[in-house]
Formats: sequence, C-alpha cells, structure tokens
Amino acid sequence: LAKTTQPISMDSYEGQEVNITCSHNNIATNDYITWYQQFPSQGPRFIIQGYKTKVTNEVASLFIPADRKSSTLSLPRVSLSDTAVYYCLVGDPSGSARQLTFGSGTQLTVLP
Amino acid sequence: DSGVTQTPKHLITATGQRVTLRCSPRSGDLSVYWYQQSLDQGLQFLIQYYNGEERAKGNILERFSAQQFPDLHSELNLSSLELGDSALYFCASSGVVNTEAFFGQGTRLTVV
Repeated sequence: LAKTTQPISMDSYEGQEVNITCSHNNIATNDYITWYQQFPSQGPRFIIQGYKTKVTNEVASLFIPADRKSSTLSLPRVSLSDTAVYYCLVGDPSGSARQLTFGSGTQLTVLP
Repeated sequence: DSGVTQTPKHLITATGQRVTLRCSPRSGDLSVYWYQQSLDQGLQFLIQYYNGEERAKGNILERFSAQQFPDLHSELNLSSLELGDSALYFCASSGVVNTEAFFGQGTRLTVV
C-alpha cells in the first residue's frame, strides 16, 4: 500500500482558495488518488478521485503531476462549513479486495 | 444520507462484555468495510468483506470478529471489551467497479 504524507493542519479564511498537497512517492501503476472529507463524529465523505492530470467536479479540483508522486486538492472559495479533516488515499479501486487506508489527514480550519 | 445504515447509534457497556454492531450496506453494494476511530485518532481499517467472504484484513484484534451474511448485511462482534475499545466504529460499502466508498454514521461505543 502506498504511504501518503499530508500537512497535519491548515488555516484559511472564508472566500479563499485552499490547496492541500499529498505526497505518495511509491504510488503503483494501478493506483488512483482519492480524497475524503470528514466532519467530527461523522463518517468520511468522498470528494474526488483521479489518476492523472486534472479532475474537477462541483466541489473540488484534483491536480496530479505527470510523475504522480504527489497530488493537490483544491477547494475554491471555502466557507466556514468546509472546516473538516481531509484525507488523501492511494490505492487500486478495482477488484473485490482492497483496503481503504486512511492516513492522519489534514485538519482544515476556515476562519471568518 | 449515504445509504449505509449502522445500528445502534450509541452503545454503553461494561468491561469484559460482548457487543454486536450491525451494518446494512447500500443496495447492491457487495463490499463492506469496518473501521475504528478512537478519540482524536485516525480511521483504523479493521476488515473488509466481499459478497460474504473476507477479502482484506487490517489491524483487527483477535477479540474482534466480523461476518457478512447472504443478504449482505454485516456484523462486527467485539468481545472481552476493554476501556480502550471505546471508539466510533464506522462501516462503509462499495460496489466492485465503483470507486467511491459510502460510510455510515457510525456506532459510538463507550466501555465503562
């Protein structure tokens, strides 16, 4: 399983764009990069997933460089409700046997 | 609502006792995952079942066991409970080809 490294915490202000970077130096060929969001005492929620280049949905963008050894989750114009822990996961999403291994995550605090 | 149902939501029990946590996956999802999250700790992967069979195992104690039934619901059994077993236990489900895992709201276990 590819190990991931993220900043422990980040602060931002409402309305700003937030970029959270995740390092995954030993990512395998079949691995995808997935980000989850977790609020206190709630289960994690899927945000976005990608393999290479850029992926965008209604919530976030995910930037993956050509070597795929890192990725950046971009949250546009954050609000107070975006305060949460963000997890970067790396793994093969196909097949019937896979571990979803969560690292320590990044605590994002959005300030007014 | 993720579509994953966990019961009970809260459970208080004494040390040495045995409890069963139940998870109903999203309709059609064959994979079920169990996680433990202690206070201020990350999500620890315990075990995964796929269509009734164990497929991946994480840091699950020997005092803990799980199974997935023919109707695809799953149960996590925790025995000889210790104070340190107090935590939030999450269940998640996913399909084989789906890349997103959906988490339930968790069962908060308090061992006194």
